[in-house]
Amino acid sequence: GNSVTQMEGPVTLSEEAFLTINCTYTATGYPSLFWYVQYPGEGLQLLLKATKADDKGSNKGFEATYRKETTSFHLEKGSVQVSDSAVYFCALTGDSSASKIIFGSGTRLSIRP
Amino acid sequence: DADVTQTPRNRITKTGKRIMLECSQTKGHDRMYWYRQDPGLGLRLIYYSFDVKDINKGEISDGYSVSRQAQAKFSLSLESAIPNQTALYFCATSDTGTGHADTQYFGPGTRLTVL
Repeated sequence: GNSVTQMEGPVTLSEEAFLTINCTYTATGYPSLFWYVQYPGEGLQLLLKATKADDKGSNKGFEATYRKETTSFHLEKGSVQVSDSAVYFCALTGDSSASKIIFGSGTRLSIRP
Repeated sequence: DADVTQTPRNRITKTGKRIMLECSQTKGHDRMYWYRQDPGLGLRLIYYSFDVKDINKGEISDGYSVSRQAQAKFSLSLESAIPNQTALYFCATSDTGTGHADTQYFGPGTRLTVL
């Protein structure tokens, strides 16, 4: 079945450091790929998404490129801020009739001032 | 005002009690979902509903039931709560007809503790 694997956390970085959070997936067909972010005490919110191979999703300085050849959707940001501290979830939908999302286990990111 | 609200935000209960968690949305979306979040496991789908007359089981529906009272309301019940149902519960909504790239919009969550 479909699944998502993302790097375990926690990840701790200094402010202005470069961020990569790895995500790989297993899916039949052509899934859509997502990154959701969960700030402390809040629900998840969509950060970015990509719907087909080679698409790049971007938002708030974060980027991720849909790589079908490596089944990956790694999240990157060139210069992180303290306000980026949150839990990040990679996710996919592979069933066009159900809109069900399969989430990775989440990666907690902490940014030091 | 928040588009997706959940009540209560926190609840502590005892084993064997019946609990209802409620979700309301003002987004006008047809589709609603219930997830639970456990540390290290991400979110897992409990039930989902594509309209008022449509209810479907997710991957972990045992021990739970749902009711879609109206387009805007979707409640989750634990008929007889047990300690391993201690978790953070999220309601979510999505729009219809945009295919499998639908964005889901989440409520703030309900933290449930079963003693």
